Formats: sequence, C-alpha cells, structure tokens
Amino acid sequence: DGGITQSPKYLFRKEGQNVTLSCEQNLNHDAMYWYRQDPGQGLRLIYYSQIVNDFQKGDIAEGYSVSREKKESFPLTVTSAQKNPTAFYLCASSIVRDTFYTEAFFGQGTRLTVV
Amino acid sequence: GQNIDQPTEMTATEGAIVQINCTYQTSGFNGLFWYQQHAGEAPTFLSYNVLDGLEEKGRFSSFLSRSKGYSYLLLKELQMKDSASYLCATRDSNYQLIWGAGTKLIIKP
Repeated sequence: DGGITQSPKYLFRKEGQNVTLSCEQNLNHDAMYWYRQDPGQGLRLIYYSQIVNDFQKGDIAEGYSVSREKKESFPLTVTSAQKNPTAFYLCASSIVRDTFYTEAFFGQGTRLTVV
Repeated sequence: GQNIDQPTEMTATEGAIVQINCTYQTSGFNGLFWYQQHAGEAPTFLSYNVLDGLEEKGRFSSFLSRSKGYSYLLLKELQMKDSASYLCATRDSNYQLIWGAGTKLIIKP
C-alpha cells in the first residue's frame, strides 16, 4: 500500500546528543515537510523540500537539519543545538505540479523525549 | 501577520450536531483545509474549500466565506469515534500551510 512511514514511533534522547528521525514515502510525491507539534499549539513548519537536493527552512529551523538525497526520503536530525526538542514530530508529503498542490498526507509521527 | 483562530475545546452529545468555527488572516489565500487528529496519531484530511460555499461529504460539511475570512466544519449525527482534535489550516500565497492550534471535540453519551 502507498503511504508515508515515520520511524521510530517513540524516541528517547539524552541531552547533548543528535538524533535522526526517518521519513519515507512511496506516494511519488514531490514535496515533503517536517512539522513539530506541541500541546496547545498548531503545527509548526521546521523544513520543507519540493525537489530532490533542495530544501527550505520553515519557521523554526534552528537546531534542526535535513537532507533530500532521494525523492522518497526526508530524514530530520535534531541536533544538540535544539534547546527544547521534546515534542511530537510529523512528516508529511504532497503533490506539487506548477501551482497545483494537493492536501498533505501525514506519517504516524515520532514522539521524541529528552531524558 | 498570519493568524488562525479556532476554539480550544468543545463538548457535544452523541447523535447531535456540532459546528467548529475557524477564522483566519493570512498573506494571500489558496484554500482552506480541515483535518481530524486523534490523540497521539497523525492528522487525516477531511475537507478542502477554495471557493465560497458549502462542501458536503457524508456526515461532515465544510463552509467557506473568503470575504469574512471564516470557515466552519459541521459534524452531524455525532459518534463517539468523532472525539478528536479538528485542525483548520489555510494555504498562503507561497502555498505553505498555516495551521490553527486545533479544537478538541469531546463527545458525551
């Protein structure tokens, strides 16, 4: 079945460590996104990518890094520079064709906790 | 600036009807989305409005008024499984999604 897969579902990180969250999609979507969700707040955009080997910072990119070496994959690294990384992280993808954008399809999310 | 407002929490009774409102101010407008999100899960797409009016899809309907910067999601014949958060999002002039904080809907028997 086509879909978007995030792993792991739960992740624990020690302070000062970098950690990478995986996101893979087999929907042949051009655009991929990383969002952070905190209680009582809307989804906030971390990074997005519309084509391979290109990505753009979102509203809260500091302390995060991404790569887009393949169309199917958009991993997110939470670095030690991110001061408050405990959150629910959501990866999404959508079709982009000229000015035609579909709705975003989401992975099941990764809950990151700093211990 | 860009802003989306929706109520934090609403309570309704099983079998009843509930309307969740969303008002927005964004730089440019390229459509409004409603998503459903159960606790700890990913948001799932419910509806999309880009023109004024009502879009009906089964028990769920969504309305848009671009001149008023206003939308609502109408849920009929409420079921316990409808207990979830409902997220309103608009797509701005750069085709980026701007998200509201979500409305937590509690359904009581």
